[in-house]
Amino acid sequence: RKEVEQDPGPFNVPEGATVAFNCTYSNSASQSFFWYRQDCRKEPKLLMSVYSSGNEDGRFTAQLNRASQYISLLIRDSKLSDSATYLCVVNKDGQNFVFGPGTRLSVLP
Amino acid sequence: EPEVTQTPSHQVTQMGQEVILRCVPISNHLYFYWYRQILGQKVEFLVSFYNNEISEKSEIFDDQFSVERPDGSNFTLKIRSTKLEDSAMYFCASSEGTSGGPDTQYFGPGTRLTVL
Repeated sequence: RKEVEQDPGPFNVPEGATVAFNCTYSNSASQSFFWYRQDCRKEPKLLMSVYSSGNEDGRFTAQLNRASQYISLLIRDSKLSDSATYLCVVNKDGQNFVFGPGTRLSVLP
Repeated sequence: EPEVTQTPSHQVTQMGQEVILRCVPISNHLYFYWYRQILGQKVEFLVSFYNNEISEKSEIFDDQFSVERPDGSNFTLKIRSTKLEDSAMYFCASSEGTSGGPDTQYFGPGTRLTVL
């Protein structure tokens, strides 16, 4: 099993749609979880950290299920500017971070 | 807003040559990282660096790679004898490291390395 797996995508959705991404991780000892976004040929940028209780930042909601080793990201009222690749990142141990392969989102007018 | 910077933005080299990729992390950050991303593939962890020594490294980070913090601001990645498969985007990142555990990383814009 790969360390971090994500929905393969791509997701093509109309503006205003709600879209959800899923991520699973294999190391049950992982402690920290993040969602990053990456635009084409650009660096990853932090979208949000994922906390055990779940957290929300505007249109974005992240959930963590430790028992199932599963992380999700929900984007509501999607905008054209949300088009990017969304990366699930899991802290493996210490300062070793594992990136998922990413899920590409295209928001269409 | 402080940011991580990297130079050069693009480096072209011949196979077998040594290259040094440079990064200036955010000034009050304590942890520094190098990642690579081969075109069309996922971001891969190479190494983390703390208190002037390597704290973690991946299987990719073999004897051909080394890192150094030669002064108070720069953080470098050296590839001794480049191979064709080293062609990739190399990202530097830094994090505060004050929480005692893994925390948010801030990435530089990357150096695109092309090995011919």
